[in-house]
Amino acid sequence: EDQVTQSPEALRLQEGESSSLNCSYTVSGLRGLFWYRQDPGKGPEFLFTLYSAGEEKEKERLKATLTKKESFLHITAPKPEDSATYLCAVFSWGGGADGLTFGKGTHLIIQP
Amino acid sequence: DADVTQTPRNRITKTGKRIMLECSQTKGHDRMYWYRQDPGLGLRLIYYSFDVKDINKGEISDGYSVSRQAQAKFSLSLESAIPNQTALYFCATSDFRTGDNQPQHFGDGTRLSIL
Repeated sequence: EDQVTQSPEALRLQEGESSSLNCSYTVSGLRGLFWYRQDPGKGPEFLFTLYSAGEEKEKERLKATLTKKESFLHITAPKPEDSATYLCAVFSWGGGADGLTFGKGTHLIIQP
Repeated sequence: DADVTQTPRNRITKTGKRIMLECSQTKGHDRMYWYRQDPGLGLRLIYYSFDVKDINKGEISDGYSVSRQAQAKFSLSLESAIPNQTALYFCATSDFRTGDNQPQHFGDGTRLSIL
């Protein structure tokens, strides 16, 4: 059974303090890894797709990277508006009913 | 306007009532999904549909039913609501035409409370 584990569960940073969120996975045949941002009371908002080890994607202060076992979401000089829950999802041949398995998320708080 | 619209946004109802949650999309995507989200459990798939004639059960379909009325509309029903179905419900879509490993795009959810 595919597994996706996100760490830490919660992270509190000062504004400008860079850090990384981790998504480790054990899957049968990775077909894609997705990162989402979710604000309270809202649906997950798509950020990035990574398809193969070594691939990197960037958007503003966020950079996602992928290896054969894990993905990192690097946040550089974060601002309070980056506070949200970040979800990782893995699409694989052995995934859930539709091939997609979600992690439980990392709740990120950026303090001014 | 939102690409994936869910109605209602909030609903409070009583045990035993029949409830329908609706989802419509303007993205032109062929695949649609229903999830529920509970604190500590993450997103769990209830049902998904690859096109109007194709409906599939997810990991937690018991107590729920769905209808794909058109490519753009996918509704979720609770025939006889029970308190443990209190949760945040999300509809999502994806576009198979550009590849079957495309990300899903979510609506803003329906907060459902069953008393």
